[in-house]
Amino acid sequence: EAGVAQSPRYKIIEKRQSVAFWCNPISGHATLYWYQQILGQGPKLLIQFQNNGVVDDSQLPKDRFSAERLKGVDSTLKIQPAKLEDSAVYLCASSLDRGNEQFFGPGTRLTVL
Amino acid sequence: GESVGLHLPTLSVQEGDNSIINCAYSNSASDYFIWYKQESGKGPQFIIDIRSNMDKRQGQRVTVLLNKTVKHLSLQIAATQPGDSAVYFCAESRGSGTYKYIFGTGTRLKVLA
Repeated sequence: EAGVAQSPRYKIIEKRQSVAFWCNPISGHATLYWYQQILGQGPKLLIQFQNNGVVDDSQLPKDRFSAERLKGVDSTLKIQPAKLEDSAVYLCASSLDRGNEQFFGPGTRLTVL
Repeated sequence: GESVGLHLPTLSVQEGDNSIINCAYSNSASDYFIWYKQESGKGPQFIIDIRSNMDKRQGQRVTVLLNKTVKHLSLQIAATQPGDSAVYFCAESRGSGTYKYIFGTGTRLKVLA
């Protein structure tokens, strides 16, 4: 079974630029999560989708971050404009449904200069 | 504030010895706990979980213990192998219906040959 796919794996941008990350969850998984993992810390949930609807985006900095999952499958996370403190690994995870085991992708490492 | 944390940031053990990684949580409403392993450059990988109605759960070479009285969680790895070297995170889920995971900071396990 294919795992969660993410791209790109690495991205380097300058502050105030825009960036987008893409996630393809495991086939059939209804729930999709985006996490931010700052170096030396555990992952922090940014947003959770159930199919194409948002379940929880309470920790998403909505002034600069946005995410969508229009068809209930793939998802994109965008940052515009980026700040230095956005440097982190952005992890996508999916689960069969809410409350089921979460499977993580390899992440996208973002460096903001 | 409410948090999930770990006592030791780095743990070094000899190959073949048993490892014990500890985690404290602060919210008595948490009813589901998970241990994840994260290797360098990869996303977190599920190891084992436990619900609050249990005190102990065993897997292959791993055991999780839950002490609800002192809000403490531990992961025991038997006969630690070089492949066990990674960062280990505990996560808690608070209350039915939310399924939101709160991750701790993490403990790095180093296996010495």
